[in-house]
Amino acid sequence: AQSVTQLGSHVSVSEGALVLLRCNYSSSVPPYLFWYVQYPNQGLQLLLKYTTGATLVKGINGFEAEFKKSETSFHLTKPSAHMSDAAEYFCAVSGAWDGNNRLAFGKGNQVVVIP
Amino acid sequence: DVKVTQSSRYLVKRTGEKVFLECVQDMDHENMFWYRQDPGLGLRLIYFSYDVKMKEKGDIPEGYSVSREKKERFSLILESASTNQTSMYLCASSLSAASLAKNIQYFGAGTRLSVL
Repeated sequence: AQSVTQLGSHVSVSEGALVLLRCNYSSSVPPYLFWYVQYPNQGLQLLLKYTTGATLVKGINGFEAEFKKSETSFHLTKPSAHMSDAAEYFCAVSGAWDGNNRLAFGKGNQVVVIP
Repeated sequence: DVKVTQSSRYLVKRTGEKVFLECVQDMDHENMFWYRQDPGLGLRLIYFSYDVKMKEKGDIPEGYSVSREKKERFSLILESASTNQTSMYLCASSLSAASLAKNIQYFGAGTRLSVL
């Protein structure tokens, strides 16, 4: 079965510093990859997605992610953290496995931004 | 904008009660999903539906059932609530059954259910 690994349930970053959230996936077929963000007391919203084409994907709020097939990774970055980036971030993967194209989510990274 | 509305933000129920969680989407989406979110476990799929009256089990369907009588509404039912079903429940929808994998899922704000 497909799986997504996000290391470090809690990530602390200083305001203005680089945000780096790692995502590795397992898939025997080309995957579709997503990052979602959940702000406090809200549902998830899409940050960015990769389906085909350019492997560097830009999303909302200055975030971007790069699909690296050889490393089975889709790490999320933002050059300079802002206080408003405090949220939980989920990596998700889907593909045509088992006849069901469902999203499999990682366990999430809770990002804390330190002033 | 797509809107996915969950009927309750907070719900408190007693063990053994039958619980209904309601979800409505306003964008004529074909697919609808119910997830459970627990700290350290991420989101786990309970059930999904790709058409009216159609449903598929997700990863953790035990103790739950679903109903989709109309395209815009997807209900999650806890037949006999138990304390281990205390959790955050998230509903989501996406546009088309034809390319399920590429579809963006749109989420409701969630229902935090406490079973006492």
